Amino acid sequence: EVQLVESGGGLVKPGSSLKLSCVASGFTFSSYGMHWIRQAPKKGLEWIALIYYDSSNKYYADSVKGRFTISRDNSKNTLYLEMNSLRSEDTAMYYCAKGDNYWGQGVMVTVSS
Amino acid sequence: DVVMTQTPPSLSVAIGQSVSISCKSSQSLVASDKNTYLNWLLQSPGRSPKRLIYQVSKLDSGVPDRFSGSGSEKDFTLKISRVEAEDLGVYYCLQGTHLPRTFGGGTKLELK
Repeated sequence: EVQLVESGGGLVKPGSSLKLSCVASGFTFSSYGMHWIRQAPKKGLEWIALIYYDSSNKYYADSVKGRFTISRDNSKNTLYLEMNSLRSEDTAMYYCAKGDNYWGQGVMVTVSS
Repeated sequence: DVVMTQTPPSLSVAIGQSVSISCKSSQSLVASDKNTYLNWLLQSPGRSPKRLIYQVSKLDSGVPDRFSGSGSEKDFTLKISRVEAEDLGVYYCLQGTHLPRTFGGGTKLELK
């Protein structure tokens, strides 16, 4: 059974940093591209980043480019999202996803003074 | 970026009724490999999204055949025949052909 478990969220102040993790199981993690998607409270879904299976390519939404970094450690079956210079508008539930078909339960990030 | 326009934003239905949701893209979603990467997702209350349909019309494993997807190029439809209580939530279309990936605004399916 595919499982994706996010962690690392919390309440932080504007301008600070946070690193999210997503531990994968139930599939060959090193064979799949992975995404981060977020959902602001009471809002729709926003794709924010993609990393290829071998980390050879990374893509970002304009809203996070230059501030967020996606990475992975295939030896640990773990996906990461390093978030710097956080803003109030980054407040959201953050989901990792395997392709389009499996999503984690999400982790909440709140940016507030 | 590809804009996904999803309508209606909400639907009020009775159990057993059939409904359709439209999703229109600002660009063709036909990829260079000739596949069309248009997905439909359901986010049930308090849950993470779950994919129901991929590549326009292919049902994910375990998805009831009451759900069907159709369309091509820039115009797509999700149909739910005989709505059941477990179908309530917010439906999203998602295009995977172009980067950045983009979602429709969502359609909230509620009980009448």
